[in-house]
Formats: sequence, C-alpha cells, structure tokens
Amino acid sequence: KAGVTQTPRYLIKTRGQQVTLSCSPISGHRSVSWYQQTPGQGLQFLFEYFSETQRNKGNFPGRFSGRQFSNSRSEMNVSTLELGDSALYLCASSLAGRASETNEKLFFGSGTQLSVL
Amino acid sequence: QKEVEQNSGPLSVPEGAIASLNCTYSDRGSQSFFWYRQYSGKSPELIMFIYSNGDKEDGRFTAQLNKASQYVSLLIRDSQPSDSATYLCAVRRPGGGNKLTFGTGTQLKVEL
Repeated sequence: KAGVTQTPRYLIKTRGQQVTLSCSPISGHRSVSWYQQTPGQGLQFLFEYFSETQRNKGNFPGRFSGRQFSNSRSEMNVSTLELGDSALYLCASSLAGRASETNEKLFFGSGTQLSVL
Repeated sequence: QKEVEQNSGPLSVPEGAIASLNCTYSDRGSQSFFWYRQYSGKSPELIMFIYSNGDKEDGRFTAQLNKASQYVSLLIRDSQPSDSATYLCAVRRPGGGNKLTFGTGTQLKVEL
C-alpha cells in the first residue's frame, strides 16, 4: 500500500510569488492535514480537510489556503510568499477522520521543502 | 507554559541500554498521544500511539501514559545506533480531528 505522496519534493521561489503543493493520501484515507515544520517553531498545524471541507484551522495568515478534492487528494497554496515561509511542509492522512475517534492514527508524507529567496 | 514539553537533549545512551524519553502536556483533556521518530532530513514516522492509561508495548518500544500526572513517556529497549533520531511527542484534544500539538522533540544519540 503506497504511503502519503507529496509533490514536488523541493521548491525554490522568490518573495511575492505563490506556490501550490500537492498531497495524495494513503488509499482509503479521507482526512488530510497540513503541517509546517521549521527549526525555530517545530511542527505546527495549518489545516485539516475531510470530505472536501476544512474541518480545523491553525493560526496561520490567510495567505495559506488549501482544498480537498472528491478523491481525497489535497492541495495547499501559499500566496505572496515571505522569507519566513521557508519550511518543510508536511501532509498527513488518516483513515476515517472522525473528530471523535480517539484512536485515529496520523501518517505523514515525505514533505515538500520550500525555500523562499 | 508550552502545551507540549520535551527536553531537547541530546540524550546520549550506550548501545544496548534503555533510552527513556519524556513528554508533559498542559491540556488535561488531551485524549490521544503519539510518538514520532524523525531522522534528519526526513519526515516524521509514527512509532507509538496510546490513548489509555498504562503501558503499551510494541517490540522494543513501550509507551507509558499517566493522564493524572499529564505525562507520556517512551522507552526504547536494547537501543541501537539506528535509533539515533529526534523523537517527537504529539497530543490530540477531543474534537480536534487531526490537529495535533507537537513538542519540539528530543534528540536521541545511541553511541557504540
């Protein structure tokens, strides 16, 4: 069974540009979450999508957005890039995505390393 | 106070010893607890998951949860050099879906 797939693996952009990252969850997984990882802040939650709807959102500016398609694949977009957006962006998926499900396990993809120059 | 606290390390243990990693959390309502292993330059890999008080064992790994004291620990028996990595503790709150709050991680070094 294939794991969580993220593309591209590396990206280099300049300030002011926008970027779109892609994530394909594990087959059968319906919830997709996005996280940002930086050396200074660690892993921080961006947002979660389930059944094409954003279910949870972290404390990031509106420049960060996402969406989920009917096949559970997800994209994340960052507009007007800033130097501080340089980070590893991780996508994670889980099976049913039920908020009340205590024993839901979350599996991460390999990430997209974004560098903003 | 951070929501999830871990000693950043590095924690150095000799090969074959038991490595003990600790994590405390502030939200008493937290319901699920995760341990991820992250090698340098790689993504986090789920190694243990626990949501009931007590111990949960999987091979060389044992997770221990004490909700009354608000801590969760990870024991690695017979530590190997390949266990050298950063170990991330994460917690999930009720109704939080897959919004996990992570600690900053403990770096483990297993020395020959």
